[in-house]
Amino acid sequence: QSALTQPRSVSGSPGQSVTISCTGTSSDVGTYNYVSWYQQHPGEAPKVVIYDVSKLPSGVPDRFSGSKSGNTASLTISGLQAEDEADYYCCSYAGSYFPAIFGGGTKLTVL
Amino acid sequence: EVQLVESGGGLVQPGGSLTLSCAASGFTFSSYAMTWVRQAPGRGLEWVSGISGSGAGTYYADSVRGRFTISRDNSKDTLYLEVNGLRAEDTAMYFCAKDFYDYVWGSFQFDYWGQGTLVTVSS
Repeated sequence: QSALTQPRSVSGSPGQSVTISCTGTSSDVGTYNYVSWYQQHPGEAPKVVIYDVSKLPSGVPDRFSGSKSGNTASLTISGLQAEDEADYYCCSYAGSYFPAIFGGGTKLTVL
Repeated sequence: EVQLVESGGGLVQPGGSLTLSCAASGFTFSSYAMTWVRQAPGRGLEWVSGISGSGAGTYYADSVRGRFTISRDNSKDTLYLEVNGLRAEDTAMYFCAKDFYDYVWGSFQFDYWGQGTLVTVSS
């Protein structure tokens, strides 16, 4: 199984919006709605920010949103804040033999 | 409060073995699938292995199948990962994570993560 494809880096200024894409195949993102996104600050464990493609976990600001079209999922962060600077990873369910596949990660820089 | 605490990592020679543990608390452990995810230094997240709530179903990445064994003891609320035949490329922080839903086989989305235990494979 190949990793889901994410851009290596994105950037934006405070208050702006950024979108991170996550491209898979019809065997994972395109078929299943178990797509989740994780934020990871240096030296910390990952933290979920989106699950089930577009659901917001308790405690995550509604500046974070998720969507999916075909084989590509997207994470949008609006009203960028300095603390959003982190690495972001998508993850998709991919069937019973190889259930979970992560993207390669995207480094978000807040300018 | 949900807590996941990993232990058992360390420095091991190529070909060596370790058993990683993840002590869980704050939820009904046996109701949730659990997963191990690793992260090599400076690299991204890699799903390694998962297990259903009962332990009846186990899943492995191709990179570790045949060398790693996942298990759980629901009487002790503890998840394990036995790692054998270690290679330099297995050097990573190993995280355990809890599934979002109490489905039998899990959704492979993770709402709680431990802080990780570091495995270093080197001679």
